Amino acid sequence: DAKTTQPTSMDCAEGRAANLPCNHSTISGNEYVYWYRQIHSQGPQYIIHGLKNNETNEMASLIITEDRKSSTLILPHATLRDTAVYYCIVRFRLFGNEKLTFGTGTRLTIIP
Amino acid sequence: DGGITQSPKYLFRKEGQNVTLSCEQNLNHDAMYWYRQDPGQGLRLIYYSQIVNDFQKGDIAEGYSVSREKKESFPLTVTSAQKNPTAFYLCASSPAGGNEQFFGPGTRLTVL
Repeated sequence: DAKTTQPTSMDCAEGRAANLPCNHSTISGNEYVYWYRQIHSQGPQYIIHGLKNNETNEMASLIITEDRKSSTLILPHATLRDTAVYYCIVRFRLFGNEKLTFGTGTRLTIIP
Repeated sequence: DGGITQSPKYLFRKEGQNVTLSCEQNLNHDAMYWYRQDPGQGLRLIYYSQIVNDFQKGDIAEGYSVSREKKESFPLTVTSAQKNPTAFYLCASSPAGGNEQFFGPGTRLTVL
């Protein structure tokens, strides 16, 4: 699986958009970008994933650059409950059961 | 309610004792996973199972054992051979062809 690089920590004001970057310069053509988040002392929660097109769901938007070497997770209106560690993961998806490789992620703190 | 349960939430054991962590899911998922998380670190895969009666080692399997006799259950045994067993243990499951892994609440194991 391709390695990812994320900033260690970020702050964002409540109500503003939180933009979390991820670099994955060695990503291969059939690897997907996944985002999970982990609120303190809980299990991680799936947020969104994509291959090359931008994706949006009820939680967030995922913007993938045209060369696919980086991506940005956008939380459009951050709330205090969005304070968590956010993990960017790149992996193959052949059957859907493949393992995930978690890095250390970005600790996002939403400031009141 | 459908979901993944792990019990107990907190577990204390004396050094040298084996201990088994429970993971049960009623989501009818084929695949199940065990991860370990140390303070300030990401998750590391211990074992995973894509189907009943079959499982594979993850990145840090030494000192651990698993079984998958039933689809809904994937217990993890932390043996006395595991040198640093104190950690937060997370179980997850995913459906065949699914995009996301669903995580349980975790068990925090402390070996005294």
